[in-house]
Amino acid sequence: GENVEQHPSTLSVQEGDSAVIKCTYSDSASNYFPWYKQELGKGPQLIIDIRSNVGEKKDQRIAVTLNKTAKHFSLHITETQPEDSAVYFCAASIKGAQKLVFGQGTRLTINP
Amino acid sequence: DTAVSQTPKYLVTQMGNDKSIKCEQNLGHDTMYWYKQDSKKFLKIMFSYNNKELIINETVPNRFSPKSPDKAHLNLHINSLELGDSAVYFCASSQEGGIRAFFGQGTRLTVV
Repeated sequence: GENVEQHPSTLSVQEGDSAVIKCTYSDSASNYFPWYKQELGKGPQLIIDIRSNVGEKKDQRIAVTLNKTAKHFSLHITETQPEDSAVYFCAASIKGAQKLVFGQGTRLTINP
Repeated sequence: DTAVSQTPKYLVTQMGNDKSIKCEQNLGHDTMYWYKQDSKKFLKIMFSYNNKELIINETVPNRFSPKSPDKAHLNLHINSLELGDSAVYFCASSQEGGIRAFFGQGTRLTVV
């Protein structure tokens, strides 16, 4: 089945700097790749997603890139702010599979 | 107004007891899920339902029995609770194929 690897497990950056989190997936049939942000005591919240027919997507300070050949995708956060501190999860889904397979999570800390 | 709501938020119970967690979504989605998040924050699919029918059962022990009375509700009943069942359980719903899944706020289950 699908396996998603996420790195790094923890990331600490200075406020205003950029943060990058990377994921690789194993099943070339995967065609949907969302990113979730989970704050303490809350459920994961979808922040951006990308489908396999697109190489890059941007939403304000957040962008996601996808390399289908290499089977990896990345989350880029620019101009980081303290409220970006959270655990971030990547995920992958195969069309028709009716489930998301999650990476292990990255705890991002923004230092003021 | 909450898109996906689950109750209770906290559940503390003794080993051997039976307990239920309820979930409701008002997004009109056909697909609902239960995910388990362990102490290391890893999110793993347990069950997936599409229009009240079980689609995925990821080798979850028989003590866990989901029930979907209608497509807006997916409840989780757990028999004979064990210490290892302690975790945070998330309900979610989505468009078909896991697209744009919304998660509830989670139920922290502690078995003592």
